[in-house]
Amino acid sequence: EDQVTQSPEALRLQEGESSSLNCSYTVSGLRGLFWYRQDPGKGPEFLFTLYSAGEEKEKERLKATLTKKESFLHITAPKPEDSATYLCAVQAGRYSTLTFGKGTMLLVSP
Amino acid sequence: GAVVSQHPSWVICKSGTSVKIECRSLDFQATTMFWYRQFPKQSLMLMATSNEGSKATYEQGVEKDKFLINHASLTLSTLTVTSAHPEDSSFYICSALRLTDTQYFGPGTRLTVL
Repeated sequence: EDQVTQSPEALRLQEGESSSLNCSYTVSGLRGLFWYRQDPGKGPEFLFTLYSAGEEKEKERLKATLTKKESFLHITAPKPEDSATYLCAVQAGRYSTLTFGKGTMLLVSP
Repeated sequence: GAVVSQHPSWVICKSGTSVKIECRSLDFQATTMFWYRQFPKQSLMLMATSNEGSKATYEQGVEKDKFLINHASLTLSTLTVTSAHPEDSSFYICSALRLTDTQYFGPGTRLTVL
């Protein structure tokens, strides 16, 4: 059974204080690892897809990396508008379904 | 690109009534759509996979007679919650699959059953 574990559950940062979120996974036949951002009361917003170990992707203050066992979402000099829940999900086997972690709730204070 | 809409965004209904939620991919065609539900402070739980022109595939523990899914076109899937009860109150979110195998999510529908 595919498993995705995200840590920490919650993270509070000061504006400009860089940090990383972790997503560790156990799957058979990883096809892709996805990062989404979810604001309260809204659907998840797609951020990145990573397909193989060593791959990195960046978007503004966010950078996602992937190893064979985990992925990190690095947030550089965060701003209050980066406050949200960040979800990690894996896609494995021959199906396109996603298995989600429980998310990391990020709060960035001004 | 990759915009997915849901309607309605929120609905309140009486126990025993049925509620239909629409999910549309606005700028791409999606042969596969997914339906999730999300309880407060919890992650998304997949309910079913909807394929255009065929029967939906339901996850274990999801009642197919209670949650009716129809995927009538390449841009529209509907979820009907039949004979809704208070325990069906939740946040329902759909997603549509693009060719890159990425799921793009709708904004969600908040269902409250009184």
